[in-house]
Amino acid sequence: AQSVAQPEDQVNVAEGNPLTVKCTYSVSGNPYLFWYVQYPNRGLQFLLKYITGDNLVKGSYGFEAEFNKSQTSFHLKKPSALVSDSALYFCAVRAYTGKLIFGQGTTLQVKP
Amino acid sequence: EPEVTQTPSHQVTQMGQEVILRCVPISNHLYFYWYRQILGQKVEFLVSFYNNEISEKSEIFDDQFSVERPDGSNFTLKIRSTKLEDSAMYFCASSGTSDRTDTQYFGPGTRLTVL
Repeated sequence: AQSVAQPEDQVNVAEGNPLTVKCTYSVSGNPYLFWYVQYPNRGLQFLLKYITGDNLVKGSYGFEAEFNKSQTSFHLKKPSALVSDSALYFCAVRAYTGKLIFGQGTTLQVKP
Repeated sequence: EPEVTQTPSHQVTQMGQEVILRCVPISNHLYFYWYRQILGQKVEFLVSFYNNEISEKSEIFDDQFSVERPDGSNFTLKIRSTKLEDSAMYFCASSGTSDRTDTQYFGPGTRLTVL
């Protein structure tokens, strides 16, 4: 069965510091991995995806994610956090049938 | 930038009543999805739809649920007889293809509250 895990319910960082939001996955075959962000009272906004190729994927708003096949991880990163990055972040894997399978979400809190 | 829209943003209904949640997918997209998020839980897949047919449905999507594309722009989710446990945020999504590499774009959601 395919699954995604986000081991941290909440991540707290100070503004200007680097941030990492963790995600691990379990799939058979090639993984197609996505990160979405949800701001309060907004829908899920696409940030970036890993399909194939370079293990470091760059996305919107300065975010990037590192795919690590041996550790089955796809951690979201940003070199310098902003207060406005505070939101709920979801990692997801695309199943063979097309649906997205989501992790439970991680709340990122960036403090000034 | 094209976006998925959903109406209403918040729906309050009595248990046993029918509700219809509406979505307007991105105009040139062909694949449509409904997901839901019960408060404090993960986002769960409900159903996918293509070419006027359901492609896949989850165990949650029982006979009380139905989807329809009544015209060229709208995509609806109907719950015939709502239950308390149907209270959730419902998200519509669309993608241009069924390719697993393609991105699904989500609407802002409808918060359904069943009393």
